[in-house]
Amino acid sequence: AQKITQTQPGMFVQEKEAVTLDCTYDTSDPSYGLFWYKQPSSGEMIFLIYQGSYDQQNATEGRYSLNFQKARKSANLVISASQLGDSAMYFCAMRDIMDSNYQLIWGAGTKLIIKP
Amino acid sequence: DVKVTQSSRYLVKRTGEKVFLECVQDMDHENMFWYRQDPGLGLRLIYFSYDVKMKEKGDIPEGYSVSREKKERFSLILESASTNQTSMYLCASMDREYNEQFFGPGTRLTVL
Repeated sequence: AQKITQTQPGMFVQEKEAVTLDCTYDTSDPSYGLFWYKQPSSGEMIFLIYQGSYDQQNATEGRYSLNFQKARKSANLVISASQLGDSAMYFCAMRDIMDSNYQLIWGAGTKLIIKP
Repeated sequence: DVKVTQSSRYLVKRTGEKVFLECVQDMDHENMFWYRQDPGLGLRLIYFSYDVKMKEKGDIPEGYSVSREKKERFSLILESASTNQTSMYLCASMDREYNEQFFGPGTRLTVL
């Protein structure tokens, strides 16, 4: 069965420092996708970044990058130069690309607080 | 921009009441999802739909039902609300050509 593990329930980081949020996954499927979402206190889930299992390069989107280590089954999110507005819950999720139902498997989330 | 709207941001109901949570998306997406979110548990899938009048159970369907009479609208129904259904409910829609799920703002439901 597929599973996502986020081992950091909460993190405090000083503003302008880089942040790494951990995510490990478990799947026997060869073709899968990994996602990161941000959820501010307002509640809406905001898509940040996507990594396909066959992508040769790590995904990047502005200040967000995904440190994808396939052999270790990890997909850590890196936020460079953190800002106060980055304070939020962050969720890692995974999907089996061959699953015609397009379901996502979600981690429990990490609460990130950026200190001024 | 894709927009997913949910009928209420906050809802308070009494035990035993029938509750309707409405979700509407404006991008003609085939797939729609209902999740509940509880602290420390992440998002858990209740039901999803891949077409009009089609529905599939997710991981925690007990106590819930859904309706999708039109492509843009996916409703979650609590036939007889119970206190353990107090939670945040999130609706999402997805275009099959892309990987991203687009979420509504969520409904925080309290059952007294």
